[in-house]
This record gives sequence, C-alpha cells and structure tokens, in this order.
Amino acid sequence: DAGVIQSPRHEVTEMGQEVTLRCKLISGHNSLFWYRQTMMRGLELLIYFNNNVPIDDSGMPEDRFSAKMPNASFSTLKIQPSEPRDSAVYFCASSSLETQYFGPGTRLLVL
Amino acid sequence: QKEVEQNSGPLSVPEGAIASLNCTYSDRGSQSFFWYRQYSGKSPELIMFIYSNGDKEDGRFTAQLNKASQYVSLLIRDSQPSDSATYLCAVRPAPNAGNMLTFGGGTRLMVKP
Repeated sequence: DAGVIQSPRHEVTEMGQEVTLRCKLISGHNSLFWYRQTMMRGLELLIYFNNNVPIDDSGMPEDRFSAKMPNASFSTLKIQPSEPRDSAVYFCASSSLETQYFGPGTRLLVL
Repeated sequence: QKEVEQNSGPLSVPEGAIASLNCTYSDRGSQSFFWYRQYSGKSPELIMFIYSNGDKEDGRFTAQLNKASQYVSLLIRDSQPSDSATYLCAVRPAPNAGNMLTFGGGTRLMVKP
C-alpha cells in the first residue's frame, strides 16, 4: 500500500507567488484532512473533506487559502498570494474510519 | 483554552525507564483517543488508540483512559533512545464531529542512553 502521497516535498517561493500543494489519498479512504504545523502553533486543522465534500473549513486562515477535491483520491491546497507567515509544514491525512494516516508533508518557505 | 492539553516537555528519562505521557481533554462527550509519534522532520505516525476506560497494551506501549477525569496517558516501558520524539495526543470529539481529530500540542520525550 502506497500510503498518502504529497507533492512537492519542499517548496521555496517568493512572497506574492501562487503555491499549490497536492495530496493523493490512500485507496479506499473517503476523508481527507489538510493540516499546517509550525513551532509556534503546533498542528492546526485547516479543512477536511468527507466523500469529496468540504465539511469544515473553519481553520482556513483567510481567503488566500483554498482547497479542492476534484475526485475521490486527490486534493489540492492553494495559497494565492503567498506571504512569509505561511511558511510551515503542510500535511494531508486520509482516513476511512476514525484513524488518520499522514502523508510525508510539504515544507513551504515563503521568502 | 485549548481543548486537548499536553505538557510540552521535554520529558527526559534514562534508557530502560518507564516514560509516562499525559493528556487532558475538555469535551466530556469525546469518544476516541489516539497517540501519535512524530520524529523530528517527519510526519505523525499512529502508535495506538483507545476507546474504553482502562488500559490497552501493545508491546512496550500502554494507553490508559479515564473518562471521568478526562485524561488519557501513554506509558512506554523499557524506554529506548529511539523512542525520543514528540508524542501527540488526539481526541475525536462527540460523534457528530465526523472523523475530525483535535490534537494536543505534543510532549517532547528524550530518552538518554
């Protein structure tokens, strides 16, 4: 089993640029979660989907962040325009019941 | 007030000792409780979960749940340097929360040889 796949693993960009993070769920899982982790704030839930439908996006920081799930196995998280304070590790996790399995993360640095 | 609280540590224990990690939660209706381990620079990985009051053992790990006192703990017996990591407690709130988990801030464990 391949596990959760995220790309890119590292991203360095300049302030104002658009950033797109990608996530592929574990086959057969129906829930997807996007998290952001920083030293200061720990692991924060940004948004989660169930059966491709966004259920709770209250953690999305502001309108610069958007997430989509165009099909049952794939999701994107977009930041436009990016800012230095968006620098963090972004994880996606998938689950079929209660247990969440995390991807390797994308380390984002916005200069 | 955070919904899931953990002491950030670091908790330092000698090799071979028992490490005790604690977590308290505020939602009395919480149903399921999870422990994740996160090595530096890596993603969280599930160690174990517990649903019922009492103890649940898996190898060197024991999870303990006390719903009346709203705490859950993780004991690591015969601690090894390879157990040095941050341990995250996660709680599934009331049943209508779907599959969402609320994570604590994590406790950093250091096992010294």
